[in-house]
Amino acid sequence: NAGVTQTPKFQVLKTGQSMTLQCAQDMNHEYMSWYRQDPGMGLRLIHYSVGAGITDQGEVPNGYNVSRSTTEDFPLRLLSAAPSQTSVYFCASRGRANTGELFFGEGSRLTVL
Amino acid sequence: AQSVAQPEDQVNVAEGNPLTVKCTYSVSGNPYLFWYVQYPNRGLQFLLKYITGDNLVKGSYGFEAEFNKSQTSFHLKKPSALVSDSALYFCAVRDTLYNFNKFYFGSGTKLNVKP
Repeated sequence: NAGVTQTPKFQVLKTGQSMTLQCAQDMNHEYMSWYRQDPGMGLRLIHYSVGAGITDQGEVPNGYNVSRSTTEDFPLRLLSAAPSQTSVYFCASRGRANTGELFFGEGSRLTVL
Repeated sequence: AQSVAQPEDQVNVAEGNPLTVKCTYSVSGNPYLFWYVQYPNRGLQFLLKYITGDNLVKGSYGFEAEFNKSQTSFHLKKPSALVSDSALYFCAVRDTLYNFNKFYFGSGTKLNVKP
């Protein structure tokens, strides 16, 4: 089972450039989310989705866009990258059960120069 | 606001000794608590969770955690540490009152198990 797949694993951008981090899951999970991980700060929720066509903001949504056109995919877009967006990004999904845990991808390390 | 705190940035323990990684929480409503482990350059992996019932929860790789409502704690434990347990550990709580779709993570504790 592939689980949650993120691409790319590494990316270097210049300030002002745009890019999309891809996330796909093959577990038929309704819920998908994006987190960023920064040293000493744990994981912070950027955006999440509870199903195709439905997205909502997390704790740190500014500078990021998301869409959910299919159950499987949940891309994260940076429209104009800033050095403050240098981080490791994780996509996570969860099944229908209210007590369910999150399943994480392996992460995408982004550096903005 | 819902939150968790991991008071130790790093825990050092010798192989074979018991280990404890601490977590305290602050939530409104009933706490849904989780522990995750992150190995270098990998995503987070689920270890165990407390939803309701027995205060001692058993999980993967021999880990267990004790839920203590009066102390608002959910410490991760293992009776005998292995070098391979060395990793970054995160405690998390799920918001069960305001937004069931949000999880809140602690800052992480690095566990070093020395031979």
